[in-house]
Amino acid sequence: DAGVTQSPTHLIKTRGQQVTLRCSPKSGHDTVSWYQQALGQGPQFIFQYYEEEERQRGNFPDRFSGHQFPNYSSELNVNALLLGDSALYLCASARGEGGYTFGSGTRLTVV
Amino acid sequence: GEDVEQSLFLSVREGDSSVINCTYTDSSSTYLYWYKQEPGAGLQLLTYIFSNMDMKQDQRLTVLLNKKDKHLSLRIADTQTGDSAIYFCAERGSRAEGGGNKLTFGTGTQLKVEL
Repeated sequence: DAGVTQSPTHLIKTRGQQVTLRCSPKSGHDTVSWYQQALGQGPQFIFQYYEEEERQRGNFPDRFSGHQFPNYSSELNVNALLLGDSALYLCASARGEGGYTFGSGTRLTVV
Repeated sequence: GEDVEQSLFLSVREGDSSVINCTYTDSSSTYLYWYKQEPGAGLQLLTYIFSNMDMKQDQRLTVLLNKKDKHLSLRIADTQTGDSAIYFCAERGSRAEGGGNKLTFGTGTQLKVEL
């Protein structure tokens, strides 16, 4: 049973560019959350998707947007990249009130 | 807002017990979690406890929750070198108060196990 799958694993982008990160939730899970983990910090909640709608959002600017597809997979888009957006981006999935399963993340480096 | 705090480092000898502590501020927390992160990897869920419980044991892991003091601890018995990692405490707020959909993490405790 595959867990949470994220792609790509690593990515290098230039300031001002746009990036799309992808996540496939664990089989049977219908809720997807995205987190940003800066070096040496704990993960910070970006937003959560359920039934293709953004259900809750953390304290991130509008440059961060997302989408959830009918098959429950999700994308995280970041526009106008800043150096400070360099981080590990983690996707987590869950079903209902169950515990969250995290993927291995996408390491984004902005140069 | 919610805040979760942990000490940054803990060093123990192999075979000893490790105790990692965490404090949180959200009095409406429903679940509290412990995650493990190894270098270059994502987060692995170790265990979690519902807020109306005060203890949970799972093999080598024991979680203690003092809800009055908003203090959570993770005890790892017979610590092994493979337990070396960063351990994150996280709390999940109340859905009724708008916080049920996210986890708030601490900054992590780096556990080093020495021979």
